[in-house]
Amino acid sequence: AQTVTQSQPEMSVQEAETVTLSCTYDTSESDYYLFWYKQPPSRQMILVIRQEAYKQQNATENRFSVNFQKAAKSFSLKISDSQLGDAAMYFCAYRSALIGNEKLTFGTGTRLTIIP
Amino acid sequence: GAGVSQTPSNKVTEKGKYVELRCDPISGHTALYWYRQSLGQGPEFLIYFQGTGAADDSGLPNDRFFAVRPEGSVSTLKIQRTERGDSAVYLCASSTAGRSTDTQYFGPGTRLTVL
Repeated sequence: AQTVTQSQPEMSVQEAETVTLSCTYDTSESDYYLFWYKQPPSRQMILVIRQEAYKQQNATENRFSVNFQKAAKSFSLKISDSQLGDAAMYFCAYRSALIGNEKLTFGTGTRLTIIP
Repeated sequence: GAGVSQTPSNKVTEKGKYVELRCDPISGHTALYWYRQSLGQGPEFLIYFQGTGAADDSGLPNDRFFAVRPEGSVSTLKIQRTERGDSAVYLCASSTAGRSTDTQYFGPGTRLTVL
């Protein structure tokens, strides 16, 4: 079974600064997908960024980028130019590429606070 | 278009009662997922539908939990003889076809409180 670990329960960053959220995972599979989801107080999970394991290039979406280290099974999220609207819970998630195993496996989350 | 919707937003019930939670997926999405999020935890998978059939129900904790999707659109999660430990946010997600490349879009969840 796959596991996802987020070792930082809480993080804070000054507005406009850069912050990195950590995530490690454990799997025996070679092909899979990794995600970062944001969950504001409204509870709705919003996809921030995704990474395909077969791609060596790190994914980037505007101010959000990842550092994907497949051998180390590490998948960190970097948020640049932090904004007040980035304050939320952030969850790292794993999904197998195998047909019939479409569920997401989530970590326990990191609460990100933005300091004005 | 409209996103995934869930009703009710909040549900308070007494121990031992029966509850139904509803999920309306994005129109045209054939794949539908239920997750449960306990306080301070990440969502945990419960069940996955592809069309009308449950393709994977390995996450249902016990036989008190049951879900249906009779017409391949709306789904209902049913919990019998509720227990205090069932208190959590129940999240629903849908995706285009359930392929591993498809993004899962989440609803706002139903917060269930069992007194």
